[in-house]
Amino acid sequence: AQSVTQPDIHITVSEGASLELRCNYSYGATPYLFWYVQSPGQGLQLLLKYFSGDTLVQGIKGFEAEFKRSQSSFNLRKPSVHWSDAAEYFCAVGPPGGYSTLTFGKGTMLLVSP
Amino acid sequence: DSGVTQTPKHLITATGQRVTLRCSPRSGDLSVYWYQQSLDQGLQFLIHYYNGEERAKGNILERFSAQQFPDLHSELNLSSLELGDSALYFCASSADGYYGYTFGSGTRLTVV
Repeated sequence: AQSVTQPDIHITVSEGASLELRCNYSYGATPYLFWYVQSPGQGLQLLLKYFSGDTLVQGIKGFEAEFKRSQSSFNLRKPSVHWSDAAEYFCAVGPPGGYSTLTFGKGTMLLVSP
Repeated sequence: DSGVTQTPKHLITATGQRVTLRCSPRSGDLSVYWYQQSLDQGLQFLIHYYNGEERAKGNILERFSAQQFPDLHSELNLSSLELGDSALYFCASSADGYYGYTFGSGTRLTVV
């Protein structure tokens, strides 16, 4: 069965500092990978997705993620964090092709300090 | 506004009661997914409908049921409610399969 692990429940980053949120997955083949962000009281918004090809994917709001097959990881990065980035971030995986559903990690809460 | 509309936004009800949560997908999207989000379980997939037909079931309790209507809106029915059913219930839609879900803002259900 597929699973997603986000090892950090909370992360605090100073405004302007760089950010890396970790995501590890368990799946028999290369899954489709996603990062979502959830602001308080809001639904989840898609930041970026990886299906195949270039392992470094760019998303919205200045985020990027790198797929590393050897490490079964899909970490999210941002070079300079803004206070408005404070939110909860979810990594998700799904099997490639066809109709299926996404499995989400438990999320990482990002706090941004001044 | 994501284009996925969920009503109501908040719902407070008593144990043993039945409620209906409604979701209107983004225009053109045929798939509707329901997820439950709680502090201890995270985001749990409940059920997926595509163009009126059930496509997949996740950890959905027998007390819960859903359907998707010809106009593509979906309803999630929760009955014999228990305190543990208190959670955020999200609906998401997609045009084809699960690629790039669009989520609604959720219904917060509180069972007292």
